[in-house]
This record gives sequence, C-alpha cells and structure tokens, in this order.
Amino acid sequence: ETGVTQTPRHLVMGMTNKKSLKCEQHLGHNAMYWYKQSAKKPLELMFVYSLEERVENNSVPSRFSPECPNSSHLFLHLHTLQPEDSALYLCASSQDRLAGGNNEQFFGPGTRLTVL
Amino acid sequence: GNSVTQMEGPVTLSEEAFLTINCTYTATGYPSLFWYVQYPGEGLQLLLKATKADDKGSNKGFEATYRKETTSFHLEKGSVQVSDSAVYFCALSSKAAGNKLTFGGGTRVLVKP
Repeated sequence: ETGVTQTPRHLVMGMTNKKSLKCEQHLGHNAMYWYKQSAKKPLELMFVYSLEERVENNSVPSRFSPECPNSSHLFLHLHTLQPEDSALYLCASSQDRLAGGNNEQFFGPGTRLTVL
Repeated sequence: GNSVTQMEGPVTLSEEAFLTINCTYTATGYPSLFWYVQYPGEGLQLLLKATKADDKGSNKGFEATYRKETTSFHLEKGSVQVSDSAVYFCALSSKAAGNKLTFGGGTRVLVKP
C-alpha cells in the first residue's frame, strides 16, 4: 500500500450514530490534515496534526473529534452529526508543516459521508 | 490573510482545444503556488507547483507561470484530452501564514470527444 489511504470510501449514518473515519499514510510524513469538501463550497481545512499533536482546529463543532495515535494514522470520530455534515472528507499528509512554505500535501481518495 | 480566486466553471471544451484556467491570489509574504487536480471519485493530486516568481511549473502537458507582478498563476494546456476532465484547484501556501494551503473554489473542466 502506498500514498494516503482512507476507509471507508462511503459511509451512510443516522444522526444518532457514532462512526469513525480512518486515514493512513505510508509516506513517512510528520503532518496530517482533515478537510471537508462540500458541494459548491471551497475546501475547508478542519484539523492539522504535526508530530501527533493537534496544532490547528478551525472552529470545527465538537461532534467531530480527531485522533492521531501515531504519525501514520489519523482518525475522525463522528457523533450526532447533522444532515448538513454530509460531504467528502479528505485526509492529507505532508513532510513537515513548517516546510519553508513549500507545503506539498498528498491527499487520500476521501470518504463520502451521507448523514440521514 | 491569504486568498485564491479562480474562474468559475464549468468549462466545456472539445478534444484538442486549448485550455486556460485563470487564478489570482493575495498573500502574506512570498507564497508557493500549486495546481491540484481532482478526477471523478478521487482525492486531490498535485499537478504542478512553483515556489518563486517567474518559475514555471509543468506536468502532463499543463503549464503555469508564477507572475508576481500580476499575482497570477494561470493554468494552460495546449491540447486537452477527454481524460483531462476533472476539477482543478489553484492553491497557495506561505510561511508567514503558517504554511497552510489556501485553495480556490475549483474549476470543473469537461472535455467532450
């Protein structure tokens, strides 16, 4: 397995369910990111982890809870979501968050989430 | 703060046509500039990048030149193929803004045979 992988690729959940999205990177990178991609909206950065420490949380509601147990894995735990949370959730990684402005990020294929 | 503006789509072209997608930016400091492409059902892939003024990034027949004087990074391809149908995102990052990637809204391109 190479690059950045995400599971599941598709997820349908009810508003009272609890589910988790998983991201794994096989690139030896130190920084990982969660983005939300909604129809007709710009890509939204949700969370940034650097060396397993959360360094950014862009006013994301608490029903989204990230976890980074090690530098290769990133999770997004979901609880009591709303229909408007339906979107494509993308994970990305980069060598180093402070890479001198040349912050090339590698993206996974995303998880298509539908909240009923 | 940083921002990226790119032309709205969709852009519909015939095969072998010339493609231009305009991108302009505002940024703190000296940003690096990127074009990402998202094919249907996939995540974003880096298409090309430029890290300083007058640099030209190129890949798969696509080119973009970092123009500091016009704060632009327009994407061009001389002869598109059906397989180029995708959404294209212009983006920038700058050390002054914590190296976050700031994306434009994306431009959907549809190439018809």
